[in-house]
Order: sequence, then C-alpha cells, then structure tokens
Amino acid sequence: DGGITQSPKYLFRKEGQNVTLSCEQNLNHDAMYWYRQDPGQGLRLIYYSQIVNDFQKGDIAEGYSVSREKKESFPLTVTSAQKNPTAFYLCASESGRRSNQPQHFGDGTRLSIL
Amino acid sequence: KQEVTQIPAALSVPEGENLVLNCSFTDSAIYNLQWFRQDPGKGLTSLLLIQSSQREQTSGRLNASLDKSSGRSTLYIAASQPGDSATYLCAVKGGSEKLVFGKGTKLTVNP
Repeated sequence: DGGITQSPKYLFRKEGQNVTLSCEQNLNHDAMYWYRQDPGQGLRLIYYSQIVNDFQKGDIAEGYSVSREKKESFPLTVTSAQKNPTAFYLCASESGRRSNQPQHFGDGTRLSIL
Repeated sequence: KQEVTQIPAALSVPEGENLVLNCSFTDSAIYNLQWFRQDPGKGLTSLLLIQSSQREQTSGRLNASLDKSSGRSTLYIAASQPGDSATYLCAVKGGSEKLVFGKGTKLTVNP
C-alpha cells in the first residue's frame, strides 16, 4: 500500500538532547512537509522540500533542522534550541507544490519532554 | 497574509441530521481549497479538494462548495452517522503554494 510512515509514534526528549523524527513515503512524491500541531491550533509549517537536496524554512523553523538526501525520506531533528518541543508532529507529501492533488499525511509522532 | 477561520469550533448533532461546516479565508487569490478529517491521535485524511476554477466537489455523503469572491467554503454532510465524529480541517493553497490551515471544527454525532 502506498503511503507515509512516521516513526516513532511516541518520543520523549530529555533537556539538552536532540531527537530525530522519521518520515518515509512510497508515493513517489516530489514535495514533502513537516507540520507542528498544538491543542486548539491549526497546523503550522516547520520545513518543506520540493526536491532532493533542497529544503526551505516554513513559518516556525527555529529550533528545528531537516535533510532531504533521498526522495523517499525527510527526517526532522528537534534540537535543544527548541524550548517548547511538546507537540504532535505531522509529515505530509504531495506530487508537487503546484499540483492540484491533495496532500497525504502520516499518522504523526507525539513528542514530550521528560 | 492568508488567514483561515472555521466556525463553529465544535458541533454536536443527533444521528441522521444533515449539517454544514463553515470555512472562511481572507485572500481570495487561492489555488485550491482542501477539506480534511482528523481522528483523535491520527494524521489527516483528505476528503475533498476544490480547484479555484470549480464551485463544488462531491464524494458520497459529502459535498464541498467554494465561493472565492466572498472567501467562503462549506462542507455539507448528509445523514450524519456516529462514524463521522472527528475534527474537520479546512486548508487553502494560495500564491505561496503552501497550505494554510484553519483550527478545525470538532464534530460529535450522537447515536
């Protein structure tokens, strides 16, 4: 089945620690996205990538980093500089930013502070 | 800057009722508008996508309309069922080619 796989489902971060969230897609999509969702808030864009080896900051990129070394993979690192990392993180993909196809989402990773 | 508003924030209805969810956006220069469903603790599932040149889209018991000039979209759910209980999110794609999301409407359908 084609889709997006996020892992782990739950993640705990100690103070001063960097953690990495995994996102893999087998939809052959060019564009991939990372969103953050807080209770009662809409989704906010952290980073996005249109093509391998290229990515751009979204609206709330501070304290986060990404890489796009393969088309299928777009991992997100939450660094120790992100002072309020507790949230639900969603990865999405679409065939291209200018497409009129819907975005597809993974099942999310819930990150908490220990 | 595009802003997307969804009203009401929460809605509770008895099973079998027809209902309408509302979405408004501030910049009418959009590329498309998408409606998603989110179950608790899960990701988003795409329901309907309306291109800027279209007025409505239908899928089963769901019908979404778009009025670009007034900056409004509605999602109509016919004959609601308890399984329709979820949060419904509206998102618009504009000139920046990024999706801007509303905060969602939490729907509860009571048996």
